[in-house]
Amino acid sequence: QIQLVQSGAEVKRPGASVKVSCKASGYTFTSYDIDWVRQAPGQGLEWLGWMDPKSGNTGFAQAFQGRFTMTRDTSTSTAYLDLNSLTSGDTAVYFCARGRGSSAVLDSWGQGTLVTVSS
Amino acid sequence: DIQMTQSPSTLSASVGDRVTITCRASQNINYWLVWYQQKPGQAPNLLISKASILEDGVPSRFSGSGSGTEFTLTISSLQSDDFATYYCQQNYGYPYTFGQGTQLEIK
Repeated sequence: QIQLVQSGAEVKRPGASVKVSCKASGYTFTSYDIDWVRQAPGQGLEWLGWMDPKSGNTGFAQAFQGRFTMTRDTSTSTAYLDLNSLTSGDTAVYFCARGRGSSAVLDSWGQGTLVTVSS
Repeated sequence: DIQMTQSPSTLSASVGDRVTITCRASQNINYWLVWYQQKPGQAPNLLISKASILEDGVPSRFSGSGSGTEFTLTISSLQSDDFATYYCQQNYGYPYTFGQGTQLEIK
């Protein structure tokens, strides 16, 4: 069955960086996009961006360009989201999700990774 | 960015009720509209894509309609398992924005 398994919770200081991983199984990793979505505590969903694991091409919402990076390791079917220059506003659960087709129909999701930014 | 506005923000209903949630886009998105259900502490779950196409395994009491700028999600007869938060998302253009969510509560 299709699974996306994310890394564990992180606590970081403001200004620090963190890397969240998302390991895919049960399908061909390079055949579907990986999208990232975050959810601040008690808030709604916010789409961050997408990555094509085959080419490595990425696209971000403008608010996150330059500060967030997406990479992948096709040998382990793992996608990564790097978050830099963290602020308290980045405290959220970060989800990876498989994007069906090229239009972000997110049909399988990771369990989420809580990133807490606090001094 | 395309703004997505859901109404109501909170909806109180009883088991067996028929409920409708509305999602409005700030510009024409044709039928590029997706609905998700999220329960507390869980990841969202895909319900409907292209405004009205029900995902495999989603109960037939869920249905979606609309095109252009106005869309609806209808649950024909609420079951206890349906009390959750529902989000619409446009997948017409970047960034793929979500509505703010509609929390469906037990009356």
